[in-house]
Amino acid sequence: DTGVSQDPRHKITKRGQNVTFRCDPISEHNRLYWYRQTLGQGPEFLTYFQNEAQLEKSRLLSDRFSAERPKGSFSTLEIQRTEQGDSAMYLCASSERSRQETQYFGPGTRLLVL
Amino acid sequence: TQLLEQSPQFLSIQEGENLTVYCNSSSVFSSLQWYRQEPGEGPVLLVTVVTGGEVKKLKRLTFQFGDARKDSSLHITAAQPGDTGLYLCAGDYSGTYKYIFGTGTRLKVLA
Repeated sequence: DTGVSQDPRHKITKRGQNVTFRCDPISEHNRLYWYRQTLGQGPEFLTYFQNEAQLEKSRLLSDRFSAERPKGSFSTLEIQRTEQGDSAMYLCASSERSRQETQYFGPGTRLLVL
Repeated sequence: TQLLEQSPQFLSIQEGENLTVYCNSSSVFSSLQWYRQEPGEGPVLLVTVVTGGEVKKLKRLTFQFGDARKDSSLHITAAQPGDTGLYLCAGDYSGTYKYIFGTGTRLKVLA
């Protein structure tokens, strides 16, 4: 297993467009997290899944954001009607049942909204 | 809202020097972690500390968790250019393994 992967690595879009990002966690990891990181800041928690259930969503996650993990494996994060303020690095992480404190991060998807 | 403050924000030092970065909070954490992040990559976990007063060593890096579990420090001995990166602390205040990240300390070690 090569770790957490994210696709695409970079995305440039125009304001108002919808974008979707994908995260493939490490195999057998039951938890999957999404974070957003802006320049010069630490990652901010957005949401997390345990298997296919979305257990918590941050207040940062407006109605324009939606995340899914339909089969408890990969996850998608969709942003509708993108705004310039959505420009950031979107990070995904996963952890295994027996070591939930250890999150493995993917390389992130860098989004630029023009 | 960020609950963890890190200091300093930026640090530029010469190879061979020692340094300490700090992570402070007004909340008690059940556990605290330190990560290093390089440009264009996700953070990589360095250590998790759980017990107040705990000290962990990882080669030239020494991590300490405050007695009250509200603060932590990372000390690097004889820094090397390979230590360059963004150092992040992250705390779990609810015991649910949902970590809140600090603002980060950007370290540059000059050869």
